[in-house]
Formats: sequence, C-alpha cells, structure tokens
Amino acid sequence: EAGVTQFPSHSVIEKGQTVTLRCDPISGHDNLYWYRRVMGKEIKFLLHFVKESKQDESGMPNNRFLAERTGGTYSTLKVQPAELEDSGVYFCASSQGQGEFQPQHFGDGTRLSIL
Amino acid sequence: TQLLEQSPQFLSIQEGENLTVYCNSSSVFSSLQWYRQEPGEGPVLLVTVVTGGEVKKLKRLTFQFGDARKDSSLHITAAQPGDTGLYLCAGAKWGGSGTYKYIFGTGTRLKVLA
Repeated sequence: EAGVTQFPSHSVIEKGQTVTLRCDPISGHDNLYWYRRVMGKEIKFLLHFVKESKQDESGMPNNRFLAERTGGTYSTLKVQPAELEDSGVYFCASSQGQGEFQPQHFGDGTRLSIL
Repeated sequence: TQLLEQSPQFLSIQEGENLTVYCNSSSVFSSLQWYRQEPGEGPVLLVTVVTGGEVKKLKRLTFQFGDARKDSSLHITAAQPGDTGLYLCAGAKWGGSGTYKYIFGTGTRLKVLA
C-alpha cells in the first residue's frame, strides 16, 4: 500500500507570504494528524481530523494556521501570513482507527523555511 | 507543559556494543511508543508498551515501560550500523476531545560506527 505522502518536501518563502502544505493519507485511513518540529525542539501535535471533522485542534499555534480536510481524503495546512518562527518540519500522519494500538504512519514531512 | 526527556541526547558507539536509551517524565501515560527516524524521513513506529512493567522484545531491541508508567527504556544489544538513527519516545494521554494525544520526547541521536 502507498504510504502517507506530503508535498512539497521543501518550501522556502519570505516572511509575510502564504504557503500551503498538502498531505495524502493512506487510503482508507479516517484519522489524519498534523505535527511539527521547530529547530531544536521536540515534535509537537497540531491537530487531528476524523474524516473531514476536526477532532482536536488544541495544538494549532494561532489563527495564521488553517487546516482543512474537505471530503475526508487529503488535507491541507495553510500558513498565512508566514512568520520566521513558523520554520520547521511539518509532519502528517494517518491511522485507520483511534486508540493506542492503531499505529500512526508518518509521511516524510515538509521542511518549511521562512526567510 | 508535559515533557518527555530522553537521555542521552547523542550517542556514538562502536559496532557490537550495547546501549540503553531512557525516556523520563513526571507524568503518567496510558501507553508509550518508540519510533526510529532516519534523515529526510518520518518517524517509524517500533513498538507500543501499555502495561506498567511491560517488557517487549524486537530482535536485538528490548523495550520496557516503567512500573508507574512514567518512564521507559530502550536497550539495544550488539548494536549494528543499521541501528543508526534518531530514536523518539512518545507518550499517549487521553485528551479532553475524546481521543489520544501523543507527546513526543526530545530524541536520542544514535550513531553506530563500523
């Protein structure tokens, strides 16, 4: 089966611009998660979709970040306007169900650099 | 802020040596996962431990969950260059939204020299 795919793999933009990251989960996985790692820090949870609904968005840093999952398939994470502190690696993960024994499969991440 | 501290942060050893990586917190977790991540890739799940005191083995890797479910360790026997990577622990907590939320550790970067 195809894994979680994310694109772009790298994005370099200037402060104030807009960037949209995309995540295609494994087919049939209802649960989709966004995480990010800023430099030198641990991976942190951003939000969790179940199908097209936001189950938990408590990790979203501020209202410059907007995540969508229309139709419950792929998801996008838009940052508008981007700030310097948004630089980091953004990971997407998907799982078939919820719970501790439902493994999350991670994509390879999008490395975002804000200049 | 709940934090999972991993130690050591960096470890460079010779092939054939044994090593232990620790993951510690002051918080209790429902379960704990260990991942390995290679450069340019996402984390890959190695194991999930759920019960306090639980020990799981995956070939040369032995994982243990602390009795109080606040800490965990990963022991590698006879390390090989293929074990090189970033090892991450992640603790699961039941969130208010009715789902589990995972808190990741600070990571241990392991390099095994041939």
